[in-house]
Amino acid sequence: DTAVSQTPKYLVTQMGNDKSIKCEQNLGHDTMYWYKQDSKKFLKIMFSYNNKELIINETVPNRFSPKSPDKAHLNLHINSLELGDSAVYFCASSQRSIGEQYFGPGTRLTVT
Amino acid sequence: SQKIEQNSEALNIQEGKTATLTCNYTNYSPAYLQWYRQDPGRGPVFLLLIRENEKEKRKERLKVTFDTTLKQSLFHITASQPADSATYLCALDQRNTPLVFGKGTRLSVIA
Repeated sequence: DTAVSQTPKYLVTQMGNDKSIKCEQNLGHDTMYWYKQDSKKFLKIMFSYNNKELIINETVPNRFSPKSPDKAHLNLHINSLELGDSAVYFCASSQRSIGEQYFGPGTRLTVT
Repeated sequence: SQKIEQNSEALNIQEGKTATLTCNYTNYSPAYLQWYRQDPGRGPVFLLLIRENEKEKRKERLKVTFDTTLKQSLFHITASQPADSATYLCALDQRNTPLVFGKGTRLSVIA
């Protein structure tokens, strides 16, 4: 049973396109996150949602828009993709907004 | 400025030895410190969490220490095995702020 799942696993697209990444967790957690891991492997928080409400929005271009239709899902939509958006994007969840987090397998986004 | 540093980018050790990984931080006041394991092409996996008022935490062959005076955590893997080869990330957990990750240490256990 997959705890945190993401689709797609790989995404290759051209500059200027709009794309979405989906995330689902079946752990019953209240808090979900999006992280970006760049080519230097540095993992950085982008957004955090608690019970469908945005609680953290780090310095991220407004081309990135998270959407949480319910507590178990947190999707990431990216408009007007740029070369610098190429990275691995991880979804994660936790029971509360503090404590251990459970990560999805990641989505490798390549913008050409 | 705030910094979180893991001592080395890569660490090679012989099978059966104890691996010790270091996490140092400056200008943070973490309530908790967490350690994760990340294998290539996979998401980080939670290993251990230690609270600011705890000195040491153990789980099977893993041991974590947390010294808030030195602003340092040590992560030990005893009787290391090739299967322990992975990147290990420390993360600072301050109340009401996002989890902050170090860049990780890539551990290779050589048979």
